Amino acid sequence: GPKVLQIPSHQIIDMGQMVTLNCDPVSNHLYFYWYKQILGQQMEFLVNFYNGKVMEKSKLFKDQFSVERPDGSYFTLKIQPTALEDSAVYFCASSFSSGNTLYFGEGSRLIVV
Amino acid sequence: QQQVRQSPQSLTVWEGETAILNCSYENSAFDYFPWYQQFPGEGPALLIAIRSVSDKKEDGRFTIFFNKREKKLSLHITDSQPGDSATYFCAASAGNTGKLIFGLGTTLQVQP
Repeated sequence: GPKVLQIPSHQIIDMGQMVTLNCDPVSNHLYFYWYKQILGQQMEFLVNFYNGKVMEKSKLFKDQFSVERPDGSYFTLKIQPTALEDSAVYFCASSFSSGNTLYFGEGSRLIVV
Repeated sequence: QQQVRQSPQSLTVWEGETAILNCSYENSAFDYFPWYQQFPGEGPALLIAIRSVSDKKEDGRFTIFFNKREKKLSLHITDSQPGDSATYFCAASAGNTGKLIFGLGTTLQVQP
């Protein structure tokens, strides 16, 4: 089936540093999402993105978070500065329309130390 | 506060048996309920989904039974196979937003 690719698969970073998580969505998809999963907890919605803009964000999407997809390249999630509580697996997803199936990547495991 | 609850947390069945995974929700506005299957080290993949206008959705060995009045649904996996061993997430959303609320998942083990 359609594939969403995420880079890196895992990263260890010092608290306070910046990290960028990259997502290569399904080629003809127009809607993009980030979800966060802390170990042992459910996957939680962070943000959705369409036509170059954030459509909706949750309370988990802190001011230190930002998303963009410059010129149709990677859809990125940037965290600056990182905090210990940002340690989690971040899943990117994409869909053709807002009501269609979400296709998820394999996740980027972020460890902040 | 869990808006989507799943039970049991883990389930073991023998090959050929029917596995029943349960899900309940709180928000009456939820109208779309996908089930995702996730294998270790992989991302969740859509298995089957139902909209609140239906009470049953079938796809091969996988069937969703939906009770809107009780805000409950269940995923039945008939003739379970060892390859079905995975974690199954029930999710819900309201309207066509793509904003899914996930449960904690049920880990299914199918013993050969």
